[in-house]
Amino acid sequence: NAGVTQTPKFRILKIGQSMTLQCAQDMNHNYMYWYRQDPGMGLKLIYYSVGAGITDKGEVPNGYNVSRSTTEDFPLRLELAAPSQTSVYFCASSYSGGQVESQHFGDGTRLSIL
Amino acid sequence: RKEVEQDPGPFNVPEGATVAFNCTYSNSASQSFFWYRQDCRKEPKLLMSVYSSGNEDGRFTAQLNRASQYISLLIRDSKLSDSATYLCVVNSGGYQKVTFGIGTKLQVIP
Repeated sequence: NAGVTQTPKFRILKIGQSMTLQCAQDMNHNYMYWYRQDPGMGLKLIYYSVGAGITDKGEVPNGYNVSRSTTEDFPLRLELAAPSQTSVYFCASSYSGGQVESQHFGDGTRLSIL
Repeated sequence: RKEVEQDPGPFNVPEGATVAFNCTYSNSASQSFFWYRQDCRKEPKLLMSVYSSGNEDGRFTAQLNRASQYISLLIRDSKLSDSATYLCVVNSGGYQKVTFGIGTKLQVIP
């Protein structure tokens, strides 16, 4: 049972570079989420999606973009990496939406911007 | 005032001890509450939901106090494997209104 798969697990970027964090789920969940977790801080919602073709901003969307062309995949794009984007990124999915207890998290991508 | 506040700890307790954490929330309209567990460098995992009537799962008991706007987590007979960070999560309406606390770190000592 794969659940939510995130790649890569670790990455170091230079300032100004771009990259895409991949997230895939095999549970046929409609709802998918991207969070970032900074040291000593709670998880912050970056973007979410309620289904293929539908995305919306969360609490901290600046500097990121997302797309949802399929139910399974929800990639997160950093266009111009900045040191402030150094963080741990978690992707999550849920079936019913709005029900936090049904969110399944991937094991995270640790990103450093130098 | 932060939407969700937790004491970051760490709480260092001996094996077998009972330990309790509180989490306060500022939005009186908050609808649902949860405790998640997060191991070092791992993803959060749901520990238990917090119901108005309280919730017990083995050694873990969660309670909600709406009047004082806090939730609590009680762990009895602490095990070494309970060492983790415990995140308080509050939902004030829909997936975009979910707030995670910073977490309380628990270290159970042999």
